[in-house]
Amino acid sequence: SQTIHQWPATLVQPVGSPLSLECTVEGTSNPNLYWYRQAAGRGLQLLFYSVGIGQISSEVPQNLSASRPQDRQFILSSKKLLLSDSGFYLCAWSQNTETQYFGPGTRLLVL
Amino acid sequence: AQSVAQPEDQVNVAEGNPLTVKCTYSVSGNPYLFWYVQYPNRGLQFLLKYITGDNLVKGSYGFEAEFNKSQTSFHLKKPSALVSDSALYFCAVRNQAGTALIFGKGTTLSVSS
Repeated sequence: SQTIHQWPATLVQPVGSPLSLECTVEGTSNPNLYWYRQAAGRGLQLLFYSVGIGQISSEVPQNLSASRPQDRQFILSSKKLLLSDSGFYLCAWSQNTETQYFGPGTRLLVL
Repeated sequence: AQSVAQPEDQVNVAEGNPLTVKCTYSVSGNPYLFWYVQYPNRGLQFLLKYITGDNLVKGSYGFEAEFNKSQTSFHLKKPSALVSDSALYFCAVRNQAGTALIFGKGTTLSVSS
């Protein structure tokens, strides 16, 4: 069966510091991968999606970037965090652009 | 433009009563519709989806949803609510490009004992 992992689970970072969040998927190959942010108050915002290694599409201009160095690895990064980057970051995968399955999430607090 | 609306921020029901969480959508062509549930500080869990076929879709944990094309709705239902059903529920539709899901703002379901 397929599983999706995210780490760290929780992160507290100062403004201006770099960020690296990691997502890995097991039990499937060539998945579509997604990064979402869920701000306080619940709404989900799609940040990036990827259909293959090195292929990243950005949905919203951000202080963030994404990379996919391996088939089942998706990384969300920032060079300098802003207060507004605080939120709950969710990674998801799908096959054939249908049902998306979400990871447990990373809660990021920027102080 | 594609969109999803969940008109209720919160739904309150008593345990054992039926529940309905409402969702309406706007999309060109045939919609791909989904329901997810989120427990506090957790990721989203897939409940059910409608792609094609029967308008009544059955999913996990006894939930079902009814697709109504004329009303552009996809309401989530359960015949008998449990306290453990209390959570945040999201309706979503696949975007026209087929690259991502567009989520509603979510509805908090509170089931009282």
